Amino acid sequence: GAVVSQHPSWVICKSGTSVKIECRSLDFQATTMFWYRQFPKQSLMLMATSNEGSKATYEQGVEKDKFLINHASLTLSTLTVTSAHPEDSSFYICSATLYSGTDTQYFGPGTRLTVL
Amino acid sequence: RKEVEQDPGPFNVPEGATVAFNCTYSNSASQSFFWYRQDCRKEPKLLMSVYSSGNEDGRFTAQLNRASQYISLLIRDSKLSDSATYLCVVILNTGNQFYFGTGTSLTVIP
Repeated sequence: GAVVSQHPSWVICKSGTSVKIECRSLDFQATTMFWYRQFPKQSLMLMATSNEGSKATYEQGVEKDKFLINHASLTLSTLTVTSAHPEDSSFYICSATLYSGTDTQYFGPGTRLTVL
Repeated sequence: RKEVEQDPGPFNVPEGATVAFNCTYSNSASQSFFWYRQDCRKEPKLLMSVYSSGNEDGRFTAQLNRASQYISLLIRDSKLSDSATYLCVVILNTGNQFYFGTGTSLTVIP
């Protein structure tokens, strides 16, 4: 099946620093990648949709200047949390689809971010 | 009204029991449906797609009821390893729109 990786899997940083998370589709070219955030005991919350070569589409309430998304190739998307604060601590998960945004999504293993 | 609604549970069932979850959706233009399973502190994994005619995969059966706008997931002969949160996903046939349910928590008890 389609495999998606994320790196790092766990990061702890000081308040005010920026953190970059990578999402890679390992054995397929992903037309679309998605970024989610999930707080403990809550459902996934879609943050943005990322298409290769174009600007990401952010969901309402998600600051695009704080959560920078770069989809540089069909196998790599990055999410940078700029000037992270403790309230940004969360589980960040990416997913990728093979053909279109409404195709089956394959999820990365997630990145647990803790901001001190 | 939410696009997709699920009973959050928790559902606590004994091993061997049969349990069913429903997921209702509000938009009749919904086109595709999936069930995902998410273990604690892990990413969601695709469990099965839901086809119009219903489909079965081992102990798992998924069904779609378009008239009443819900999908269901039936788990027979529950195993301890079935304990997880089950998320439904509903995809519209217009644009790039999809919606996750909030998930139903299942705990299978020895």
